[in-house]
Amino acid sequence: SYVLTQPPSVSVAPGQTATITCGGNNIGSKSVHWYQQRPGQAPVVVVYDDSDRPSGIPERFSGSNSGNTATLTISRVEAGDEADYYCQVWDSSSDHVVFGGGTKLTVL
Amino acid sequence: EVQLLESGGGLVQPGGSLRLFCAASGFTFSNYAMNWVRQAPGKGLEWVSVIIGSGGTTHYADSVKGRFTISRDNSKNTLYLQMNSLRVEDTAVYYCAKISAIGSYYHAFDIWGQGTMVTVSS
Repeated sequence: SYVLTQPPSVSVAPGQTATITCGGNNIGSKSVHWYQQRPGQAPVVVVYDDSDRPSGIPERFSGSNSGNTATLTISRVEAGDEADYYCQVWDSSSDHVVFGGGTKLTVL
Repeated sequence: EVQLLESGGGLVQPGGSLRLFCAASGFTFSNYAMNWVRQAPGKGLEWVSVIIGSGGTTHYADSVKGRFTISRDNSKNTLYLQMNSLRVEDTAVYYCAKISAIGSYYHAFDIWGQGTMVTVSS
């Protein structure tokens, strides 16, 4: 089965840039979606189709995807960005949705 | 307003059954594939199942295949998850989630419900 690997945690100071990676075999050939989940809340999509942002999501959130790694980048990090972030793909070989294990972003 | 509202969660003994509901509003329900996603306490997101808009095709995670059944009633704008032979490890918050694009599996989940808690314990 297809596996997505994320770092368990990332820490960044306010105003700096946070980078969260999502590794998978030839993930560059898939569409990657990213979700933000704050404590006690349902997930919210922040980037879809590798690099598109839904309306209402700040431009500070951006994504890229190539080779074996997809990346979510959060520029000018704010305290309110502290949350868990998950990458997700559709694996057509198994007809399964796959989530990464999640990355806890801590704003120092 | 586009909205999903889950219900049906609760406490059930191992081996028991439970049926979850997800009431949809604010969009043409029959046009979109719908998913169930769960999250065990303190753990990450785990996909459970997907059903296409017509209800004719379904897919399941290996961990629930043969025990859970996803279905939908487009006349009632409602998604269901029938859970049988429940195990302690099925304990989780269960979310229903809408696919963002018509007729697709692989697009993002753009709308999520607030979740319903299922606890499997003796």
